Amino acid sequence: DADVTQTPRNRITKTGKRIMLECSQTKGHDRMYWYRQDPGLGLRLIYYSFDVKDINKGEISDGYSVSRQAQAKFSLSLESAIPNQTALYFCATSDSRQGSYNSPLHFGNGTRLTVT
Amino acid sequence: GDSVTQMEGPVTLSEEAFLTINCTYTATGYPSLFWYVQYPGEGLQLLLKATKADDKGSNKGFEATYRKETTSFHLEKGSVQVSDSAVYFCALRMGNQFYFGTGTSLTVIP
Repeated sequence: DADVTQTPRNRITKTGKRIMLECSQTKGHDRMYWYRQDPGLGLRLIYYSFDVKDINKGEISDGYSVSRQAQAKFSLSLESAIPNQTALYFCATSDSRQGSYNSPLHFGNGTRLTVT
Repeated sequence: GDSVTQMEGPVTLSEEAFLTINCTYTATGYPSLFWYVQYPGEGLQLLLKATKADDKGSNKGFEATYRKETTSFHLEKGSVQVSDSAVYFCALRMGNQFYFGTGTSLTVIP
């Protein structure tokens, strides 16, 4: 979905480096999410944000931080990358406006991160 | 808590075969249910959805019916094509939270 854009698409980094993954959206949605995908584990929620001033931890937030710079931008940081953070990372959005309580998540194309 | 369990793969079918991917859920209320598809190198795309019991979602020849009595939302397609090869995820939305199954990989061979 081109309305949710993630950069970079691929990144290789070394253990201990700080790295930021960026997400921007043009859908006008208020809610944004970061997920991690690992083979056999499906999608796991890292952080989510319901608006610019609202940030919440997901089930696997340790080792990650986020920043909601604007309604349309939500970035994910790894302060000190480690090899088991090698994964596919997805940003997603959803709409909480009245009448949208059953709306789905809309995903970006993902960032493939490799930590060596 | 709320959760989704879907059939483990991988699944390999010949072109034009019938497809079923099972999905069951546990929820404390009345969730909305979704199927997503992930093609290689891409993000998850919404395939179909159903928001209340007995609703049938359909798209691109795929169908799934929200069965409250069996807490199921099985994905079906009558005749698969090579282009349907992908990973399929069942998901539910309960309030502000989304829950995903672990995904089922489908390969269709000519």
